[in-house]
Amino acid sequence: GAVVSQHPSWVICKSGTSVKIECRSLDFQATTMFWYRQFPKQSLMLMATSNEGSKATYEQGVEKDKFLINHASLTLSTLTVTSAHPEDSSFYICSERGLAGVHEQYFGPGTRLTVT
Amino acid sequence: ELKVEQNPLFLSMQEGKNYTIYCNYSTTSDRLYWYRQDPGKSLESLFVLLSNGAVKQEGRLMASLDTKARLSTLHITAAVHDLSATYFCAVISGTYKYIFGTGTRLKVLA
Repeated sequence: GAVVSQHPSWVICKSGTSVKIECRSLDFQATTMFWYRQFPKQSLMLMATSNEGSKATYEQGVEKDKFLINHASLTLSTLTVTSAHPEDSSFYICSERGLAGVHEQYFGPGTRLTVT
Repeated sequence: ELKVEQNPLFLSMQEGKNYTIYCNYSTTSDRLYWYRQDPGKSLESLFVLLSNGAVKQEGRLMASLDTKARLSTLHITAAVHDLSATYFCAVISGTYKYIFGTGTRLKVLA
């Protein structure tokens, strides 16, 4: 399967600041990437679908102005949490879709965000 | 809206015992995934089930899919401590969106 990396693996930031999380496809050109959020002891919830060269598609209830997604190249998608609050503290996982027409997603190692 | 439920949510079992985790989903889907997640880690792919009646086995884990009943099972045989983790099933909604189950936290006691 494809290899996906995320950076940083964990980050601590203060309330009101912004933090950027990178998701890289290391061995594949990913036209579509996905961003998930996982609160402690809960399941993964899809936040948005990131398409290279176009605007991201956000799931219902996810604030697009707060969670800025950029997918400027075929190997990099970024998620910026703006004006972070403690309730944004979570585990953020990205995935890539792989070849068009293939349903499998390949997941990154995740980024633990703690907002103090 | 597609919903995916797992039961049990928590499972504590003795080493050497067998048990089954169930994954029910609410609308038609032709493929189902099982993942393992260790604390603080991302997802590890276990199985991809692509058709009705599909059965896959890897070590002490066996997964099956009944698309008519909208049910998948993950059977654990002779559990060992290393299997302690959280297990998620996921179903595809539409062409590519994954909907994850609620998760089952498994603890195998020595």
